[in-house]
Amino acid sequence: DAGVTQSPTHLIKTRGQHVTLRCSPISGHKSVSWYQQVLGQGPQFIFQYYEKEERGRGNFPDRFSARQFPNYSSELNVNALLLGDSALYLCASSLTGTSTFYEQYFGPGTRLTVT
Amino acid sequence: DQQVKQNSPSLSVQEGRISILNCDYTNSMFDYFLWYKKYPAEGPTFLISISSIKDKNEDGRFTVFLNKSAKHLSLHIVPSQPGDSAVYFCAAIAGTTGTASKLTFGTGTRLQVTL
Repeated sequence: DAGVTQSPTHLIKTRGQHVTLRCSPISGHKSVSWYQQVLGQGPQFIFQYYEKEERGRGNFPDRFSARQFPNYSSELNVNALLLGDSALYLCASSLTGTSTFYEQYFGPGTRLTVT
Repeated sequence: DQQVKQNSPSLSVQEGRISILNCDYTNSMFDYFLWYKKYPAEGPTFLISISSIKDKNEDGRFTVFLNKSAKHLSLHIVPSQPGDSAVYFCAAIAGTTGTASKLTFGTGTRLQVTL
């Protein structure tokens, strides 16, 4: 079975621009979460979506938004990019309603560089 | 406010010996704990987890111990193998009911297993 996939792998943007990152969860997983990992730090929670509804939001500005589609894939959008948005953006998917729900499976990430 | 702390940024262990990675937390609401392993250019990979109602969980070479009174958990790898060389993240979840499960990560410990 395919794991969590993310696109693109790498991205270079200029300050002030907009970016859209994409994620496809593991087949059968209905929950998708987004995390930002800055170099030298652990991943920081941005959003969680379940059944196309936002179920959790981390401490990130309104420039960050996300959505989940009927096929459970997800997009993360960041507007008005700042240099500090440069990071690895990770998507994670998880099952719901089972004992393994809390075990989130991560994709390889999208490396965003803002210049 | 770092709610999950991994105070050792790096650890070097000889092949065949035991690796012990430590993690401390401050939030009493955390009720589920996970360890992830991360190789460069890959997303974190789920390793092992433990519920707050247990004090030990074992899976092959990996054992996680939880001391709730000390708000401390540890990951033991026995015997350590060169392929275990990676960054290990401790993560925690507060409130494991419902569908929202935000992972709070530590900053990671880089494990190097030497020959």
